Amino acid sequence: QVQLVESGGGVVQPGRSLRLSCAASGFTFRSYGIHWVRQAPGKGLEWVAVISYDGSTKYYADSVKGRFTISRDNSKNTLYLQMNSLRAEDTAVYYCANDYYESSAYHSPFDYWGQGTLVTVSS
Amino acid sequence: DIQMTQSPSTLSASVGDRVTITCRASQSISSWLAWYQQTPGKAPKLLIYKASSLEGGVPSRFSGSGSGTEFTLTISSLQPDDFATYYCQQYNSYPLTFGGGTKIKIK
Repeated sequence: QVQLVESGGGVVQPGRSLRLSCAASGFTFRSYGIHWVRQAPGKGLEWVAVISYDGSTKYYADSVKGRFTISRDNSKNTLYLQMNSLRAEDTAVYYCANDYYESSAYHSPFDYWGQGTLVTVSS
Repeated sequence: DIQMTQSPSTLSASVGDRVTITCRASQSISSWLAWYQQTPGKAPKLLIYKASSLEGGVPSRFSGSGSGTEFTLTISSLQPDDFATYYCQQYNSYPLTFGGGTKIKIK
């Protein structure tokens, strides 16, 4: 069955960096675009970033552009999110989620989601 | 950016009630709209995509309609498992955006 397992969350001071990982199994990882979506405590969902199936196309939310970098290693079935210059407002549960449709960076809802990893930015 | 506005933000209902949630987009998104259900401590789950297509395994009491800028999610007869928070999401263009959520509470 499809599994997405996030890791790498924790408590970090403002201005520092953290790298999240999302390990995928149960589907052809290299064929699907994959996203990061976050949810601040008690708040709604916020899309963060996407990377296309082959890594050639990336988009970011304005709130993280220039600070976060999404990447993937299709040989390891793993997605990453490098988060630099972290701020208190980046505190959230971070989910990875794959595209519903294969090989499309556009017009695809989210299909499977991981369980999330909590990032807390605090001094 | 496309803004998604959901209403109501909270809804109190009883088992067996018919419930409707509305989602409005700030510009036309054709039918590129999805609905998700989230229960506390869990990841969201896809219910409806392309405005009205029911995801496999989702009970038929859930239905979606609309196109352009106005969309609705209807639960025809609310069941105990349906007390949750529901989000609409547009995937017409980047940045992808969600509505603020609708929490369905037990009356």
